[in-house]
Amino acid sequence: AQSVTQLDSQVPVFEEAPVELRCNYSSSVSVYLFWYVQYPNQGLQLLLKYLSGSTLVKGINGFEAEFNKSQTSFHLRKPSVHISDTAEYFCAVSEGAAGNKLTFGGGTRVLVKP
Amino acid sequence: EAGVAQSPRYKIIEKRQSVAFWCNPISGHATLYWYQQILGQGPKLLIQFQNNGVVDDSQLPKDRFSAERLKGVDSTLKIQPAKLEDSAVYLCASRAEGEQYFGPGTRLTVT
Repeated sequence: AQSVTQLDSQVPVFEEAPVELRCNYSSSVSVYLFWYVQYPNQGLQLLLKYLSGSTLVKGINGFEAEFNKSQTSFHLRKPSVHISDTAEYFCAVSEGAAGNKLTFGGGTRVLVKP
Repeated sequence: EAGVAQSPRYKIIEKRQSVAFWCNPISGHATLYWYQQILGQGPKLLIQFQNNGVVDDSQLPKDRFSAERLKGVDSTLKIQPAKLEDSAVYLCASRAEGEQYFGPGTRLTVT
């Protein structure tokens, strides 16, 4: 069985400061990892995904994440946040085929302060 | 390209009533999922369809929840009878090229 732990439920951060959201996973099969963002009253939008290859993955809106197999982590980073980055962020792992049967973490709420 | 469509966006019902949600996936996507997202939690998979067949419904509370995808395109999720703990956002997603695309969700409030 696979699981995802997002270590921080809330992360307050000042505008233009860097942010890191932590994600650890456990899986007994091939690992495909995802970060999604959810704005209020909206569905989930994919930020980035790791399927294979380079462990540093770049996504939309200036976000990037690094896959670390030995530490079973997939932390999300952005060097400089904007007010518009205020949202909830979800880390997810898929089982078997890439993007299939996602198991989500509990989410991290990012609040960007001016 | 149109995204995943869901309706209604919001629904308020009393406990023991029934409710149905509708999803239209992105054209050509064979795989469709329904997730339940309780406030403050990540989405949890309820059921997965491949075309019009059920692939995985192990997390679906079958005593009260049902879902179908009769022609392999649109899908409906039904709850009958609803309980207070069913209050949540119900998300539909479809998959292609290693990625799931989510609809805006239906927010259900059971009073």
